[in-house]
Amino acid sequence: EPEVTQTPSHQVTQMGQEVILRCVPISNHLYFYWYRQILGQKVEFLVSFYNNEISEKSEIFDDQFSVERPDGSNFTLKIRSTKLEDSAMYFCASSVGTSGRNEQFFGPGTRLTVL
Amino acid sequence: AQKVTQAQTEISVVEKEDVTLDCVYETRDTTYYLFWYKQPPSGELVFLIRRNSFDEQNEISGRYSWNFQKSTSSFNFTITASQVVDSAVYFCALSPYPGGGADGLTFGKGTHLIIQP
Repeated sequence: EPEVTQTPSHQVTQMGQEVILRCVPISNHLYFYWYRQILGQKVEFLVSFYNNEISEKSEIFDDQFSVERPDGSNFTLKIRSTKLEDSAMYFCASSVGTSGRNEQFFGPGTRLTVL
Repeated sequence: AQKVTQAQTEISVVEKEDVTLDCVYETRDTTYYLFWYKQPPSGELVFLIRRNSFDEQNEISGRYSWNFQKSTSSFNFTITASQVVDSAVYFCALSPYPGGGADGLTFGKGTHLIIQP
């Protein structure tokens, strides 16, 4: 069964460093998402991406963040100059579309720890 | 604005008991979709169900059942004869679109369910 994959599973970085979180969405999916879950809290929407551009973004997704689909398979989230409060689990998700029976499939997450 | 409230932070029951997880939502949309996801200790999010606002029929899938009541804006989840493997955090979510839409899903804070042997 096709699945969304994410690498690395755990990333530790120093405050102020840049990190890139990688996701490989399901191959025929067209919509891609990043969500964040601070430890013990709810899952929060960050950004959606369609047709090589951002569709929507939340207030959390400020200039520190950027997304990219560098090739036909990867979807990346870059965090510039990480802060302590960026420590969280980051989930990638994808869907075929936003209508019909197309639910979002989530990846296993990347746990980011900022020291 | 959309909001999902899961008032139960943590529930602990003994195996084989039935347990209900509550979910109350707020939305101004006339058409919307409700979801439940399971997050086991390993951390991934597992899709359980999606229900649209026009379908108020209760749904049963094995030991899982869902009770959608539009009048009280609730979409509760019941596990019958709970098992230790059901231990997880369960999230209720809401979206105007079946696939989550460009704005993504709005999640509740989750309910940590502990099933004791």
